[in-house]
Amino acid sequence: AQSVSQHNHHVILSEAASLELGCNYSYGGTVNLFWYVQYPGQHLQLLLKYFSGDPLVKGIKGFEAEFIKSKFSFNLRKPSVQWSDTAEYFCAVTPSAGKSTFGDGTTLTVKP
Amino acid sequence: GAGVSQSPSNKVTEKGKDVELRCDPISGHTALYWYRQRLGQGLEFLIYFQGNSAPDKSGLPSDRFSAERTGESVSTLTIQRTQQEDSAVYLCASSAEQGTKNIQYFGAGTRLSVL
Repeated sequence: AQSVSQHNHHVILSEAASLELGCNYSYGGTVNLFWYVQYPGQHLQLLLKYFSGDPLVKGIKGFEAEFIKSKFSFNLRKPSVQWSDTAEYFCAVTPSAGKSTFGDGTTLTVKP
Repeated sequence: GAGVSQSPSNKVTEKGKDVELRCDPISGHTALYWYRQRLGQGLEFLIYFQGNSAPDKSGLPSDRFSAERTGESVSTLTIQRTQQEDSAVYLCASSAEQGTKNIQYFGAGTRLSVL
């Protein structure tokens, strides 16, 4: 069965620090990859996605993620975080045949 | 509506009672998902509806859980004889596309507390 592992459960950063959240998955076939974000008091929403092509994808609010097929990874990055980035971040994987699997989530707290 | 709507937003019930949770997907979305999120954990897949196809019920944790969907509209998740371990946030998501390239749009969830 496929699984998604997010290495950091809680990350605390100061504003302007760089961010990298790890996501690894276990599935041998073709997958589509997603990062979702849940801001305090809001719904889960799509941050960015990878279907095919350039493995470096850009999402909203300056976030990007890089798909490294050989490492089964899809890490999320942002060069300089803001207080408003405080949220919970979920990595999700959808194989070519099957349903989505979500990671356990990473809570990001950005100190002003 | 503009987004996925779930009701109630909060539900407190006594152990052994039945509960019904409702999800109104985005109009026109053919796919609908239910997830459970326990405190501090990820999203646990429960059930998936896609158009008129038979639902994927593989994530339902026990026969106390069931879900229905009327056509491509409202879905109801029913939990019978609730237990304390059922306490969680139940999330509904809908998607416009079939297959794997499906961006899911989530509702705010129903927070269920079983006393």
